[in-house]
Amino acid sequence: GAVVSQHPSWVICKSGTSVKIECRSLDFQATTMFWYRQFPKQSLMLMATSNEGSKATYEQGVEKDKFLINHASLTLSTLTVTSAHPEDSSFYICSALRRGTSGAYEQYFGPGTRLTVT
Amino acid sequence: RKEVEQDPGPFNVPEGATVAFNCTYSNSASQSFFWYRQDCRKEPKLLMSVYSSGNEDGRFTAQLNRASQYISLLIRDSKLSDSATYLCVVRDGGATNKLIFGTGTLLAVQP
Repeated sequence: GAVVSQHPSWVICKSGTSVKIECRSLDFQATTMFWYRQFPKQSLMLMATSNEGSKATYEQGVEKDKFLINHASLTLSTLTVTSAHPEDSSFYICSALRRGTSGAYEQYFGPGTRLTVT
Repeated sequence: RKEVEQDPGPFNVPEGATVAFNCTYSNSASQSFFWYRQDCRKEPKLLMSVYSSGNEDGRFTAQLNRASQYISLLIRDSKLSDSATYLCVVRDGGATNKLIFGTGTLLAVQP
């Protein structure tokens, strides 16, 4: 099956610093990846769509200058949380889009990165 | 109104019970529907897709009513290992392949 990895799995950082999270599709190429954020007891909220070789598409209310997305290759997208604040503490999950044998697109999720900003 | 709404839960049921989850979605142009399962502090994992004719996978049965914009999941003979949050997920009706997640319903199966 399709495998998506994320690194790091958890990170603690100080307020004002930047944190980079990597999302990799290990056994398939993904021109499209998605970044989600999940706060405790809430559902996943889509932050942005990451497209290989082009700018990411951000959802309404997500600051593109704060959450920098780079999709430089077909197997890697990165999310950088700049000048992190405690309210950015959350569970960040990526997913990669893959076309199945039936022709339908399926999303495969990474294991998530738990960010705590102190 | 939220795009995807689910029963608030939590559902506490004994082992062996049958439990049903409901979900409604607001975008009539939505084309694809799914149930995901999410364990505590883990990523969501696809449980099953939901087809117009209804579909079954072992103890799990999913139904879709497009006219009512309603999706359901039935779990028969609940196991302790079924305890998790069940997420109703709808693919955006456009060409973006975006998934819209419901808030989830927590199921706790008791011994």
